[in-house]
Amino acid sequence: EADIYQTPRYLVIGTGKKITLECSQTMGHDKMYWYQQDPGMELHLIHYSYGVNSTEKGDLSSESTVSRIRTEHFPLTLESARPSHTSQYLCASGGSGNTIYFGEGSWLTVV
Amino acid sequence: QKEVEQDPGPLSVPEGAIVSLNCTYSNSAFQYFMWYRQYSRKGPELLMYTYSSGNKEDGRFTAQVDKSSKYISLFIRDSQPSDSATYLCAMSSSYGQNFVFGPGTRLSVLP
Repeated sequence: EADIYQTPRYLVIGTGKKITLECSQTMGHDKMYWYQQDPGMELHLIHYSYGVNSTEKGDLSSESTVSRIRTEHFPLTLESARPSHTSQYLCASGGSGNTIYFGEGSWLTVV
Repeated sequence: QKEVEQDPGPLSVPEGAIVSLNCTYSNSAFQYFMWYRQYSRKGPELLMYTYSSGNKEDGRFTAQVDKSSKYISLFIRDSQPSDSATYLCAMSSSYGQNFVFGPGTRLSVLP
């Protein structure tokens, strides 16, 4: 099982603010993912990375950006938050097996 | 038609019941199948992982894959109130490639 950490767990922020959601994993996994999930709704892939300096957009269009400078970190940034960005953001990582492990999630509310 | 369909639920059962959770899919290339459990306001937790067709058992949980019917199931024996959660199926076609998640089935086990 992977140890994967997300901060902050809960964030309330004003419209127009820049935010970064942090994600780190201690297992040395190459693959990392960001999913967006509204309450009671499906998971949607918004970004993924297969290694350092590799990032791709997922199936769901998102105004967020990501970076992968180090294997263990995969932060997600919103340059200008809007109420439509209110959601749960889930970070995940995968290693040599064909499974992925999720963090606890970051709940973002933009007011 | 969505790539992965899942019994919508919600599903309520008495404690001790056998629970059957099911997913169907359309992409015959899927080979890797997973079940996740997600408690409210938490990230999904990997429960079971299977490759190709067949059964896999882990304690009270049994995962079944029938590739010929494009159908997977998760059985929970002697269900407990602590099993109350949303259950997500997930699958992928190639090793290490992106995953497709079902929308989830919410289960309530009543004491």
